[in-house]
This record gives sequence, C-alpha cells and structure tokens, in this order.
Amino acid sequence: QITLKESGPTLVKPTQTLTLTCTFSGFSLSTSGVGVGWIRQPPGKPLEWLALIYWDDDQRYSPSLKSRLTITKDASKNQVVLTLTNVDPVDTATYYCAHRHLTTFDAWGQGTLVTVSS
Amino acid sequence: DIVMTQSPDSLALSLGERATINCKSSQTVLYYLAWYQQKPGQPPKLLIHWASTRESGVPDRFSGSGSGTDFTLTISSLQAEDVAVYYCQQYYSTWTFGQGTKVEIK
Repeated sequence: QITLKESGPTLVKPTQTLTLTCTFSGFSLSTSGVGVGWIRQPPGKPLEWLALIYWDDDQRYSPSLKSRLTITKDASKNQVVLTLTNVDPVDTATYYCAHRHLTTFDAWGQGTLVTVSS
Repeated sequence: DIVMTQSPDSLALSLGERATINCKSSQTVLYYLAWYQQKPGQPPKLLIHWASTRESGVPDRFSGSGSGTDFTLTISSLQAEDVAVYYCQQYYSTWTFGQGTKVEIK
C-alpha cells in the first residue's frame, strides 16, 4: 500500500523560503519510471502542478514557478523535499505530494495547509 | 503550457440522472488524459487515466471518452456519494489541470 505524508511549517512570512518534505512508503524512488510530484491548491481554487522528480533524478518544474522552485530526493530515506523561495500571500495553499508511475498521479498525501502572512 | 478548460463549471442533477463533464485542451494531448474526483477536505482521487481506463475499484458508472483535444467524463447514474469536484488533467507535456466542475444533487 502506497502512502505519502507532507510535513512542514503551517505559517511562513512573506519573502521567506518554504521547505516541505514528503515522506512516503510502499514504493521505491529507485524503481524505473517512478516519480514524486508536488501539487498545490489555494483555498477554493483549482489544483496546480508544481514540480516532479523521477527515479533517475530528472526534475521537471512548472514554467511559471521554475525560478522559485527546487525539488530534491533522498531515496534512502524515502523523502522528497520541495523548496519555494520568496513566498507571497498568493502562495497560501494546501500542498500535496503524489506518486507517479507510468501515467499520472495515482496516490496522494492528505496535504498540508501553508499560510503566507506577516 | 497546455491549458485545460472544463465545462460546465457546475452541475446540479437529480439522483439517477446522467452527468456529463467536458474537457478541452489547447493543443492535442492524444489520450494522455486523466480524471480526478475531489471531495471536500480530501485529496484528489484518480478515477480514469489514458482517457478511458478506470482505476481499480472505481464504479463502472464512471466512464471516460475522447482523444486529441476533446474529452468527456460521464457518470451514468448519479449517486449521492458522487457529489464532488471533478478535474481533468493532461500528462502529455508535464501536467496541467482543468479548473474543475462541481457536481451537486438537485
């Protein structure tokens, strides 16, 4: 059974860097074809894909946020870390991590709500 | 970026009625199209991938069709537990989601 869980701060001040960790079980990020992605959802708004890292360390980013995002993995710890620099109140959202294999995101964490406010 | 546009934005139907949700991409995504269901306070749940392949455990009243730029999610007989927001998503070129369609019971 695949499980994922997001962790990180619930409140971040504008201009700071947000760091979120996804800890997963039930699969290996060393297996060919596997990826872990991050998706966010502002309150009452649609889903927005942010970034994804593959088993071979290939990284993909949303073009609109690429300059502010970094995604890394530690396969031995079953963790993926997302950093978002220079946050703004518009970055307030529930942040999800999700498992991707062969097609698209077939298992998701419960999400973590991050509020950006001074 | 490939833009995904869903219609309608919301839908209110009686129990047992057929629900149809449309999704259009700004350029071809072939059949690299998924549908998700999101209930309040929950993460999205993958219903369909490859445009028409149901995930294991998804009731057969859910069906997907289409290819290229035009896709449809159909709920053949709406049940109370189907109240949710439904999203289409392309994975032909990275990933983008539609704006969502809210399905309610009339």
